[in-house]
This record gives sequence, C-alpha cells and structure tokens, in this order.
Amino acid sequence: NAGVTQTPKFQVLKTGQSMTLQCAQDMNHNSMYWYRQDPGMGLRLIYYSASEGTTDKGEVPNGYNVSRLNKREFSLRLESAAPSQTSVYFCASRIAGIDEQYFGPGTRLTVT
Amino acid sequence: SQQGEEDPQALSIQEGENATMNCSYKTSINNLQWYRQNSGRGLVHLILIRSNEREKHSGRLRVTLDTSKKSSSLLITASRAADTASYFCATGNTGGFKTIFGAGTRLFVKA
Repeated sequence: NAGVTQTPKFQVLKTGQSMTLQCAQDMNHNSMYWYRQDPGMGLRLIYYSASEGTTDKGEVPNGYNVSRLNKREFSLRLESAAPSQTSVYFCASRIAGIDEQYFGPGTRLTVT
Repeated sequence: SQQGEEDPQALSIQEGENATMNCSYKTSINNLQWYRQNSGRGLVHLILIRSNEREKHSGRLRVTLDTSKKSSSLLITASRAADTASYFCATGNTGGFKTIFGAGTRLFVKA
C-alpha cells in the first residue's frame, strides 16, 4: 500500500514549456486534490475532484488544467509554464465522508 | 485567501517543554484539523475536532476549539526533537469538499 504517489519529485522548466504532474492513490479514495505551497503562504488549492468524472476549480486555478483519469489517478498540467508557477506541488486524496486528507511527497518545480 | 491563520509563525523551545500553537479562522466551519509537515515531506494528519466539540486529546496532543472566538489551539506536551516540523491548521465546511489551510507555525525543538 503505497498511499499517494507523485511523479516527478523534481522538475526544472523553461518559461513557456509544458508538463504534466502525475498523482496516483491506491486507497480507493473518492476525492483528490492538487495544492501548491509557497513560502509563508501555506497550501493553496488549485483544483480538486470530488469524485471520478468531476473536477472543480480551487483558489488558484489559472494556468493549470487537470484530468481525473480514473478513480486512482489525477494529473495536473501546466500548458505554458511561468516563473510564478515555481512552487512545491502536493497531491492529496480522501475518502467520501471523512475529512482527513492523505498527502503525497510533493513535486518541486522550478520555472526559469 | 487563507481561512486559518496560525500564531506564532515560528516557535523555538527546549526538549521537554510544552508547545502551544494557535489558529484563527474567519467563517463558520464544520471541523478543524491539524497537520504536521516535516521538512521536505508532505503533510500528515494529526487530529480533527468537530464544531460541536471543545477539546480533544490524542497522545501528547491536545486541541481546543472555541467557535465563538473562531479560534483553536494545539498543545504538544513534553516536546521531543522529533516534533520539529511545521504545523498547519485546516478548516472544513459542512457538505463541502474543500479544506482551507493556514500558513503554518514552524516549531523547532532543541535537544
């Protein structure tokens, strides 16, 4: 039982490049989340998926797209990376009706 | 905008001392959670307190919630060097899927 896994762990992009961050969970959780963490800002919600087949915007969705590929996988795509998207990205999941979230180890993204 | 705001932003104590962190929030909540984040890692859920509860314990952790003041506190008793981490409060709303996190308190426990 690996919990929540994220790939890659580290990534450096040039401005304008695109990439997809991958997230998978093996706990049969219904809801999945993408957050970004910046120094002194805590975690900010980018997008979430309440259940398979649905996605909704969070607090800071601009510049990102998501895909809930199936119940296990929830990917985050940066179509045209900008330096302002330099951050640590966390994926999380939770089971329906339970508020506790389980987090992945994070992806450290630098955009130059 | 952040819902929860932790106080203090940073705290340094000696091993064996108690550590108290506070969290204030702005809107009505269904529950309040505390998470821990070790350096370079993801967040780990510590404890959840519901809006109809005033106090909850889990091992060396004690959480209080005052909904009239929209505030919560996390007390770690007899702290250890391994408690060194950032601690975040997070609020959940009834029927909602979103959890709003505060900016965190960085705790450093000196051995």
